[in-house]
Order: sequence, then C-alpha cells, then structure tokens
Amino acid sequence: NAGVMQNPRHLVRRRGQEARLRCSPMKGHSHVYWYRQLPEEGLKFMVYLQKENIIDESGMPKERFSAEFPKEGPSILRIQQVVRGDSAAYFCASSLGTGSEAFFGQGTRLTVV
Amino acid sequence: GQQLNQSPQSMFIQEGEDVSMNCTSSSIFNTWLWYKQDPGEGPVLLIALYKAGELTSNGRLTAQFGITRKDSFLNISASIPSDVGIYFCAGLGRETSGSRLTFGEGTQLTVNP
Repeated sequence: NAGVMQNPRHLVRRRGQEARLRCSPMKGHSHVYWYRQLPEEGLKFMVYLQKENIIDESGMPKERFSAEFPKEGPSILRIQQVVRGDSAAYFCASSLGTGSEAFFGQGTRLTVV
Repeated sequence: GQQLNQSPQSMFIQEGEDVSMNCTSSSIFNTWLWYKQDPGEGPVLLIALYKAGELTSNGRLTAQFGITRKDSFLNISASIPSDVGIYFCAGLGRETSGSRLTFGEGTQLTVNP
C-alpha cells in the first residue's frame, strides 16, 4: 500500500511563473491537508480538502494560491506568479476522515529564483 | 483559533538518557498525534492518542493524552543517535466538518554519542 505521494520533490521557478504541486493520497483516503514549512520552522496549515470540496482554507493566502482535489486524480496546490517568499517545503497529508490520523508525503521543496 | 504550545524548543542530551516533551493548548482536542521529522523528509507518525487519559507505547516511546484533553506528553527512553530530529505534536479538534490538524512548533532533539 503506497504512502502519500508528492511530486515533484524539488521545483525551481523564476519569479512570476506558476508552480503546481501534486499530491496523491494513500489508497482509500478521501481527506487531504496541505502545509507549508519554512526552514527551521514548524508546519503551517494552509488548506483542508475532501474530494471535490474545500472544507477549510483559512490558512491559504488570499491571492495567488489555490487548491483542488478533484473526483479523479491527485490534489493540486497551485501558486500563481510566484515570489521569493513562496520558497518553502510544501507537505501534503491524507487521512480516512475527520478525526483520523494523518499521514504525510515527503514534500515538495519549492525554490523561487 | 486553536494553538498548541510545545516545549522545550530544543534539547541536547547524551545517548542513553530519557527525554520528555509536551504540548499544551487552550482548546480541547479529541485526538493527539506525535510525529518525527528527519531533515529533508516529511513528518512520520509515531503515536496516535484518541481517549483522554490514554497512555500508549511504541517501543521506547510513550505518549499520554491528558485528562483535561488540553495537553499531551511524549517520552523517549534510553535515547540513541537515530532519535535525532524534530518532534511535533498535533491535535485534532471537534469531529465535525472543518476539523483540521493543528501543529506545535516542534522540539529539536540532539543526541550526543
């Protein structure tokens, strides 16, 4: 049973470009969380999704950031017009449901140059 | 919003010593989770706690869900060099839609051989 898969592991973008981060949850999991982690810091909540629904996006910046979890396919975190401050590790976690333990992927390290 | 206070922020110990770290919150949680993160990797789930007062062990690790449901601790006995890493507590709130996983700021553990 494969774990949470994130790709790419590393992503380099120039300022102004778009970044698309993908997360395939564990088999059978319908809940996905996205977190951002800056160097030497903790995990900051961004968004919580179920299939085709955004449940809680209170941690998402109001502009340039969006997330989706379609009926088919992986969850996508999209960052438009990236800036240097977007450089961070982005982690995805999945769970069976609300209140269930969550399992993390290995993250995507975004570098904006 | 829900916040977790994790302490200590960092610990430097000798191999063989026992370690204790804890998390407290002003909010009630229904689930407490403890994760370990190695450099460049995603957090790995160590222990999950679901009931107030629950004491759970996983090898040399022991964690407890506080009676008040507002705190949890993690103990590591007889530490070894591979215990080095960042340990995060995480809490899950009410089991209604919108519940999200809230993280502490982490405890950086260094074990000297």
